[in-house]
This record gives sequence, C-alpha cells and structure tokens, in this order.
Amino acid sequence: EPEVTQTPSHQVTQMGQEVILRCVPISNHLYFYWYRQILGQKVEFLVSFYNNEISEKSEIFDDQFSVERPDGSNFTLKIRSTKLEDSAMYFCASSEGTKGTEAFFGQGTRLTVV
Amino acid sequence: GEDVEQSLFLSVREGDSSVINCTYTDSSSTYLYWYKQEPGAGLQLLTYIFSNMDMKQDQRLTVLLNKKDKHLSLRIADTQTGDSAIYFCAESPVGSQGNLIFGKGTKLSVKP
Repeated sequence: EPEVTQTPSHQVTQMGQEVILRCVPISNHLYFYWYRQILGQKVEFLVSFYNNEISEKSEIFDDQFSVERPDGSNFTLKIRSTKLEDSAMYFCASSEGTKGTEAFFGQGTRLTVV
Repeated sequence: GEDVEQSLFLSVREGDSSVINCTYTDSSSTYLYWYKQEPGAGLQLLTYIFSNMDMKQDQRLTVLLNKKDKHLSLRIADTQTGDSAIYFCAESPVGSQGNLIFGKGTKLSVKP
C-alpha cells in the first residue's frame, strides 16, 4: 500500500541551527502539507503546497519556515534558525485533491531543539 | 476562528462500545473526520462524514453528526485492545485548500 514516508524519525538540533525535514509523498498525489504537534497540544496546520507553490499557510508559518519540492519526489520543510519552541512532532501529508478526504499522513519527525 | 474540542481520555473494557465525542465551531465545514494514531505511527484516516449526513456506518464504526449542536461522535462497537490509540477529530473549513483543523485527540485505553 502506498504511504508517505518521513526522514529522519527523530532529529536533535541546537538552537539557532537550520534543520531540513524530509518527506516523500505518495507518487500520484498533487497536494502536500506540513503539520506540527507540540507535545500535549493540537495538531496544527502549517502550510499546503500545490503546483510548486504555497497555496495556504497558517500564522505559525513565518519567515523562519520554507518548503520546497526540489526534485519532483521529495517535499521538504526547512526551519532556518531553530528555537526551543520549535520542538514538536512534524507531520507531512499528501492528497490527490483538496477536500481532505484523501489526506495520507507520514509517521512524523520528532524535532528536539536543545 | 475555527476550533475543535475533544475530551482527552477514555477508558473502556474489551468488548464494550466506546463513544468518543467532539465539538467544532465552524458550521460551514463541509467534511468532518476521525483519524487514529497508534504509538509511533502517523495519523490514519478512519472515516469521515459529509456535512449533509447525520450518520455513517462502516463495520464497527458509527459516526453521528449533529449539525445544530456542532457535535460529532465516533462509536466503536465491540472495542478490542488493538483499538487502543489516540483518536483525532478534524474539520475541513469551507474554502480551505485541504488543510484540516484538529482537536487535541482522545486517548482510548482498552482494558482486557
């Protein structure tokens, strides 16, 4: 069964460092998303991406964040200068359409900023 | 803004029915969803309901939607230990590009 894969499963980084979280969406999907879940809190939408550009983003997705689809298969989330409060589980998702019914999620990358 | 609320914990005995409740604020949401997260795994779509439906049944799962009260519930019949997980309610606001608004999740514990 096709699945969304994310690497690494756990990333530890020092405050101020740049991190890149990687995702391989399902191959025929056109819409890509990043969500995050701070421990004990809700899963929060960060950004959606379609046709090589951001289609929607939340208030959380400020200038420190960027997304890219560098090679047609990977979908990456970059955090330019990590802060302690960026520590969270980051989920990638992909879907065929925008209704959300088809959204498939990866297993997540746990980011720990120390 | 949109908000989704769920109780955080539910404990049931194996074989009993589980009912997980959720309230949401955006009455214009077109789809409402239930996702399941097992330990160490991603979010798995369990089922969803379109906003013009009151009920949807899928094997052991029954989703009830009360649009007037903005209340969504998930009933799991004959709950098994393998159903132990965190269950997330989510809504898809009208006009969104597919992004979902999630609740905090309800941790279901099934005791043998």
